[in-house]
Amino acid sequence: EPEVTQTPSHQVTQMGQEVILRCVPISNHLYFYWYRQILGQKVEFLVSFYNNEISEKSEIFDDQFSVERPDGSNFTLKIRSTKLEDSAMYFCASSDYRTYEQYFGPGTRLTVT
Amino acid sequence: AQSVTQLDSHVSVSEGTPVLLRCNYSSSYSPSLFWYVQHPNKGLQLLLKYTSAATLVKGINGFEAEFKKSETSFHLTKPSAHMSDAAEYFCVVSDTVGGADGLTFGKGTHLIIQP
Repeated sequence: EPEVTQTPSHQVTQMGQEVILRCVPISNHLYFYWYRQILGQKVEFLVSFYNNEISEKSEIFDDQFSVERPDGSNFTLKIRSTKLEDSAMYFCASSDYRTYEQYFGPGTRLTVT
Repeated sequence: AQSVTQLDSHVSVSEGTPVLLRCNYSSSYSPSLFWYVQHPNKGLQLLLKYTSAATLVKGINGFEAEFKKSETSFHLTKPSAHMSDAAEYFCVVSDTVGGADGLTFGKGTHLIIQP
């Protein structure tokens, strides 16, 4: 069964550094998403992406964040200058145009020290 | 604006007994509702979804949920709990049936299965 994959599974970075989280969505899906889950808190929507542009973003998704689909398979989330409060599990998801089912990857745990 | 309230942060049941995880939602439109499960150190897996078709929705692993508009509820049930059901369960709402809108998650209910 096709699945969303994410790399790395765990990323440790120092405050102020840039990080790029990578996702490979399910191949025939057209909608892509990033969510985050701070430890002990709920899963929060960050951004959705369709047709090579951002469709919707939350107030969390400020100028420090950007997303890109650099090729036909990868979908990335970049944090330009990480802060301690960016430490969280980041989930990528994708869905196709016919359904509203979002399929999630296993997540990348980002630790900012 | 949409929101989800999961009424219990933890639910503990004995193996073989029924499971009830409660969820209430708030939505400006006719919502789509979902339940996702997260096993330890795993990603989020879709259990079931409601999208304005049948109000009783059957999902994977014997779970089902009933959409009750009058009560704005979408409670998750299972007749007989199994040890493998121990996980975190999230009730999720979306205001749209399709498209690229983000999902709104509840805080989650931790389901504990006692042997």
